[in-house]
Amino acid sequence: QKEVEQNSGPLSVPEGAIASLNCTYSDRGSQSFFWYRQYSGKSPELIMFIYSNGDKEDGRFTAQLNKASQYVSLLIRDSQPSDSATYLCAGARVGTGRRALTFGSGTRLQVQP
Amino acid sequence: DAGVIQSPRHEVTEMGQEVTLRCKPISGHDYLFWYRQTMMRGLELLIYFNNNVPIDDSGMPEDRFSAKMPNASFSTLKIQPSEPRDSAVYFCASSFQGDSHEQYFGPGTRLTVT
Repeated sequence: QKEVEQNSGPLSVPEGAIASLNCTYSDRGSQSFFWYRQYSGKSPELIMFIYSNGDKEDGRFTAQLNKASQYVSLLIRDSQPSDSATYLCAGARVGTGRRALTFGSGTRLQVQP
Repeated sequence: DAGVIQSPRHEVTEMGQEVTLRCKPISGHDYLFWYRQTMMRGLELLIYFNNNVPIDDSGMPEDRFSAKMPNASFSTLKIQPSEPRDSAVYFCASSFQGDSHEQYFGPGTRLTVT
């Protein structure tokens, strides 16, 4: 079992809809979580991070963290074709001295015009 | 800030040749990470440095791979000798010392070994 699991997709949503991307993790020591967006042929770009249970909103993006259930999600409201990309979830152990992020394999999102 | 800088952006080489990839982290960042990305294996951490010192190299696939960070603004990843299975995109990322653990990626080097 991978430490961070994501459905590879593709997740297809119509333009203007809410896209919901999910991630589960097995390491209870993970405390901070990151969402990266990666366009085809480009490098991962940090969108948001979250370390407290609950929701964190930034524009059209909302990250949700539930440590009891060990899942993280990213909601994209009013999805646009430009949001079509692969979204990578990553976890980190904070305060242990270890700085590495553990990445999931990514979910490919397709927003249909 | 210019962001993380990597060179070359593309490298095509023949099996057996030495390959050197270069990275300049964001100024003031204390951590530098080397990743490899393939379709089959996704994004894999190879090695990371803190203040120019290698901290964890457990992801380095074998002795053919080596990495150095001679100063705070430069790092290299060397493959010698290269093999076709080393073909991948290699990313460098950097981050601050603080608690947030955010990492910022460079544009990557696409390596093709024929």
